[in-house]
Amino acid sequence: DTEVTQTPKHLVMGMTNKKSLKCEQHMGHRAMYWYKQKAKKPPELMFVYSYEKLSINESVPSRFSPECPNSSLLNLHLHALQPEDSALYLCASSPVLATNEKLFFGSGTQLSVL
Amino acid sequence: GQNIDQPTEMTATEGAIVQINCTYQTSGFNGLFWYQQHAGEAPTFLSYNVLDGLEEKGRFSSFLSRSKGYSYLLLKELQMKDSASYLCVGGDYKLSFGAGTTVTVRA
Repeated sequence: DTEVTQTPKHLVMGMTNKKSLKCEQHMGHRAMYWYKQKAKKPPELMFVYSYEKLSINESVPSRFSPECPNSSLLNLHLHALQPEDSALYLCASSPVLATNEKLFFGSGTQLSVL
Repeated sequence: GQNIDQPTEMTATEGAIVQINCTYQTSGFNGLFWYQQHAGEAPTFLSYNVLDGLEEKGRFSSFLSRSKGYSYLLLKELQMKDSASYLCVGGDYKLSFGAGTTVTVRA
């Protein structure tokens, strides 16, 4: 299994809603990532977990809350989002956290905030 | 981090060859990746270069010159399905993405 699975594929939410994005991989990877991508822009790193511990937080607003319950799962909890947070949210994993390891991406969640 | 520069757009005809250039800061360099991303889809891995020289994989080849901070991705025998964004990615302690080059293949 060389897949990273993300759910849901599409999400529409209001600014007062609370929702969660989920990501799962069964490749035994110990590094997992959240990226945000706006149209026609490259992915922007948000968070990195290494061995289930938060290693990198790119100064992301607190309305985004990551969670890594175990080595296979990664969640992104969303609360009180703004319309400008509408984007494609990509999860990725790699064997370990290192810049010479290739990233395996999920197909993303297209988020619309109304 | 790395400042990574690549052209914004390129257009070519089916069957032709396209070369996408990428330049980056050399300090703390730890290899360079190329990813392909179709609109609305996830990026997929194409190549990784850590040593100087050309790596060939079928219709796609990638070149690296570490001393010059320069790489290119060569797409040969272009097909319509190659229309996509191509991302140059590298970094020291964390990966940085170039802005992406949108390649449009015309019949």
